[in-house]
Amino acid sequence: AQTVTQSQPEMSVQEAETVTLSCTYDTSESDYYLFWYKQPPSRQMILVIRQEAYKQQNATENRFSVNFQKAAKSFSLKISDSQLGDAAMYFCAYRSVLNDMRFGAGTRLTVKP
Amino acid sequence: DSGVTQTPKHLITATGQRVTLRCSPRSGDLSVYWYQQSLDQGLQFLIQYYNGEERAKGNILERFSAQQFPDLHSELNLSSLELGDSALYFCASSVVGLAGPYEQYFGPGTRLTVT
Repeated sequence: AQTVTQSQPEMSVQEAETVTLSCTYDTSESDYYLFWYKQPPSRQMILVIRQEAYKQQNATENRFSVNFQKAAKSFSLKISDSQLGDAAMYFCAYRSVLNDMRFGAGTRLTVKP
Repeated sequence: DSGVTQTPKHLITATGQRVTLRCSPRSGDLSVYWYQQSLDQGLQFLIQYYNGEERAKGNILERFSAQQFPDLHSELNLSSLELGDSALYFCASSVVGLAGPYEQYFGPGTRLTVT
């Protein structure tokens, strides 16, 4: 079964600085999808960015970008120019082609003013 | 607002009881997913329905069951409730249930407290 590991339970970043959140996964599949979701204190799950495994190009959404290393099974999220509103739990998620979605345990990001 | 609605927002009940959580997907979405999030933990995938049929199953207990109706809304039934079932239950929907990078849109969740 696929597993998703987020090795950083908590991270902290200074406002306007850059922070990288780590995620690794274990799978025997060659085709799958990866996501980062943000969960602010409201507990709403918000999609931040997604990556298709067959695409070599790293996905980018404004200040958010990923470093996808398929061979290493690594999918890290980089947040540039961090803002106070970025403070949240961030979950890495793996979705197989069969639609089985697995989430990591999450990383709590604190942004210091 | 994701367009996914869940009711009720909060639910408090006693051990041994049965509850039903309801989810309405975004307009046009055929797939509905249910997740459980215990306090300060990640999300556990429970079950997925696609156009009325069960499509994938995760770590769903036998005491739990779900269904998706012809109008595409879904219900999650939790029975013989235990204290450990206290959690935030999310519903999510997506455009299709087949292969594709279609992201899931999450509802606001139902917070269940079992006393």
